[in-house]
Amino acid sequence: NAGVMQNPRHLVRRRGQEARLRCSPMKGHSHVYWYRQLPEEGLKFMVYLQKENIIDESGMPKERFSAEFPKEGPSILRIQQVVRGDSAAYFCASSPSLRVNTEAFFGQGTRLTVV
Amino acid sequence: AQKVTQAQTEISVVEKEDVTLDCVYETRDTTYYLFWYKQPPSGELVFLIRRNSFDEQNEISGRYSWNFQKSTSSFNFTITASQVVDSAVYFCALSEAEDSNYQLIWGAGTKLIIKP
Repeated sequence: NAGVMQNPRHLVRRRGQEARLRCSPMKGHSHVYWYRQLPEEGLKFMVYLQKENIIDESGMPKERFSAEFPKEGPSILRIQQVVRGDSAAYFCASSPSLRVNTEAFFGQGTRLTVV
Repeated sequence: AQKVTQAQTEISVVEKEDVTLDCVYETRDTTYYLFWYKQPPSGELVFLIRRNSFDEQNEISGRYSWNFQKSTSSFNFTITASQVVDSAVYFCALSEAEDSNYQLIWGAGTKLIIKP
């Protein structure tokens, strides 16, 4: 049973380009959570999705950021017109039910560098 | 409001020493969960432990032990006989149990350096 898979592991984008980060939850998990880790900081919640639904995007910047979790395929975190301040590690977690307070299985993260 | 404080930004010890990482939390809920994660230099997050608020029994797993004290809102983590491979950033996190509170609230992390 594969764990939470995130790709790419590393992503370099020039300012103004788009970044697409993918997260495939564990098998049987229908809840996905995205977190952002800025350098030298802890993780901050961004968005919580279930299949085809955004449940809570309160932690996601209003502009340039969007997330989806389609019926088929991975969850996508999309950042448009990236800026240097978007450079961070983006982690995805999944769970089989509403509560993330299971072990909240995390992927290995995508490290975005904006140059 | 929920908050997790890891006051120690960085700790450096010599191998085989014992080291304790502090975690203090704030929550209004009576039911909540506390976590510790390890983030080695490679960057992934390694789950170490989850403890619910009703279980104050201390836990030991090999060289790792956790001291949960509700009276002081602390959930400290001790590594006994530290090894170089323990070098990592360690995060403490809190999750409240109500259905509307599914987020993990993270501390800023403690960077642990174990010198050979």
